[in-house]
Amino acid sequence: DAGVTQSPTHLIKTRGQQVTLRCSPKSGHDTVSWYQQALGQGPQFIFQYYEEEERQRGNFPDRFSGHQFPNYSSELNVNALLLGDSALYLCASSLERAQETQYFGPGTRLLVL
Amino acid sequence: AQKITQTQPGMFVQEKEAVTLDCTYDTSDQSYGLFWYKQPSSGEMIFLIYQGSYDEQNATEGRYSLNFQKARKSANLVISASQLGDSAMYFCAMREPDYGGSQGNLIFGKGTKLSVKP
Repeated sequence: DAGVTQSPTHLIKTRGQQVTLRCSPKSGHDTVSWYQQALGQGPQFIFQYYEEEERQRGNFPDRFSGHQFPNYSSELNVNALLLGDSALYLCASSLERAQETQYFGPGTRLLVL
Repeated sequence: AQKITQTQPGMFVQEKEAVTLDCTYDTSDQSYGLFWYKQPSSGEMIFLIYQGSYDEQNATEGRYSLNFQKARKSANLVISASQLGDSAMYFCAMREPDYGGSQGNLIFGKGTKLSVKP
């Protein structure tokens, strides 16, 4: 039973560039959430996707956008990168119609120079 | 307003002893869920234990137990018989609302770094 997978594992970008991070949910899960974890902090909720639509959004600017595909996998896009976007980006999946926890992937470490 | 508070930035425990990691929360919702996750240096968040707000019994999962005191709004994690592999960051999180069909997102505390000494 495959868990949540994310790619790439590490990424280095420069200010102003754009980045796309990818996530495949745990088998059977239909909901994907993205979190940003800055160094020394707890994860912060970015947004959640269900049925290919953004259902909830945290306090993040429009530079952060996402997508969910029919196979439930998801992408996180960040435009016009800032130094402050350097963080660990975590994807979590869950099953909408069940009171289950969210299971996290290994994360993508993004460094913006 | 901060919803999850973890007041212990770091904790030390001797191997084979028990340790309690503190977590307090703030919510006006009647339906919420409380979670503990472990994050080793590799970065992956590993789910440990879950307590629903309507659960009357404290949750237990192996060596992990959650000391749920609803009136005090606390959800402390107790790890029994600590092992060297327990050294990691531990995060308390809350989900509101907490029912299927409209699950909320997770709100995390700042974490506690646990170090287990041999």
